[in-house]
Amino acid sequence: SAVISQKPSRDICQRGTSLTIQCQVDSQVTMMFWYRQQPGQSLTLIATANQGSEATYESGFVIDKFPISRPNLTFSTLTVSNMSPEDSSIYLCSVERGVGFTEAFFGQGTRLTVV
Amino acid sequence: GIQVEQSPPDLILQEGANSTLRCNFSDSVNNLQWFHQNPWGQLINLFYIPSGTKQNGRLSATTVATERYSLLYISSSQTTDSGVYFCAVYSGAGSYQLTFGKGTKLSVIP
Repeated sequence: SAVISQKPSRDICQRGTSLTIQCQVDSQVTMMFWYRQQPGQSLTLIATANQGSEATYESGFVIDKFPISRPNLTFSTLTVSNMSPEDSSIYLCSVERGVGFTEAFFGQGTRLTVV
Repeated sequence: GIQVEQSPPDLILQEGANSTLRCNFSDSVNNLQWFHQNPWGQLINLFYIPSGTKQNGRLSATTVATERYSLLYISSSQTTDSGVYFCAVYSGAGSYQLTFGKGTKLSVIP
């Protein structure tokens, strides 16, 4: 398994501000993943973060809105910029263990409410 | 891309009842996982099951990859089983993206 510490666990933010979410893993991993879960919906991948290179964003997500840092093999941050109420969601980071297509593990999530 | 469909979307059970949740996928997959999302939003790994059958306590899962479906069985349900159950797959071809179904919301009432 993997121990993933994500913080903050929840926050209430004013529109127009930014929030940075941190994700710390208990051992080195090549890729880290950021997901968004809008209220009542399933999870959607925002981007894949590799250490030493720019994150790869999925369709519909842009770096200006969701900048990601990956300074080392155990840590990543996701920033939600210039927030609006539509950004109210649960944001989760994820890692995989093993080689190839292996089991994914998730942090406890950050429940964001934008008012 | 690959499509993942879960059924039923909602399920209400009396405590002690059994249930079966289904996950259909539209293409061959390299992996399949079942998760339980608790009321606080945390995703709990239940099974990593690309094929075959696994059991863990009151829960078991079966994936028939050739027929593109997986089943999650919950026996003797408890109120703590309430939450949303997600099925997620990797579609292969070098993709490390997990595609999630829309989930089954389970409510177990005393």
